[in-house]
Amino acid sequence: AQTVTQSQPEMSVQEAETVTLSCTYDTSESDYYLFWYKQPPSRQMILVIRQEAYKQQNATENRFSVNFQKAAKSFSLKISDSQLGDAAMYFCAYRSGSWTSGTYKYIFGTGTRLKVLA
Amino acid sequence: DTGVSQDPRHKITKRGQNVTFRCDPISEHNRLYWYRQTLGQGPEFLTYFQNEAQLEKSRLLSDRFSAERPKGSFSTLEIQRTEQGDSAMYLCASSLDEGTGGRGTEAFFGQGTRLTVV
Repeated sequence: AQTVTQSQPEMSVQEAETVTLSCTYDTSESDYYLFWYKQPPSRQMILVIRQEAYKQQNATENRFSVNFQKAAKSFSLKISDSQLGDAAMYFCAYRSGSWTSGTYKYIFGTGTRLKVLA
Repeated sequence: DTGVSQDPRHKITKRGQNVTFRCDPISEHNRLYWYRQTLGQGPEFLTYFQNEAQLEKSRLLSDRFSAERPKGSFSTLEIQRTEQGDSAMYLCASSLDEGTGGRGTEAFFGQGTRLTVV
């Protein structure tokens, strides 16, 4: 079974600085998707960034980028020029990409709480 | 596009009562997911549908929980004989079968229904 591990329960970053959130996963599949979701306090979860496993190029979305290391099964999120609005819980998630796996459920890690210091 | 809608947003019930939650997915999305989230934890998979077919249920889901998605549109999650341990946020998400290039693989979440069992 696939698992997702986030080993940093909490991280802090100064406003305008850069922070990296870690995520590792375990799978025997070669076709899958990885996601970072953001959940602000008392608000709904929204997608930050997505990575397709078959793509070697790391995904970027404005100030957000990932470091996808397929062999190491590592998927970290880098937030540049951190802003107060980035403060939230961040969840790493995995989803199989192959119908042969028999499931399209999303598997989440336990999350990292990011604090942004003014 | 109004997003994923969940109703009610909050529910307080006495132990032993039955409760039902509703989820309206994004209209063209054919997959619908239910997750449970407790404070400070990541979303825990409960079940998912493709159109009206319930394709997978978590082994953690007791027989007090049942979900339906008649006609492949909205979905309901019912909890019978509620227990204090059922207190949590219940999240609904929807997604669309991916097209070419991996588009549409992310799940879009609703704001959740917070259940408190007293």
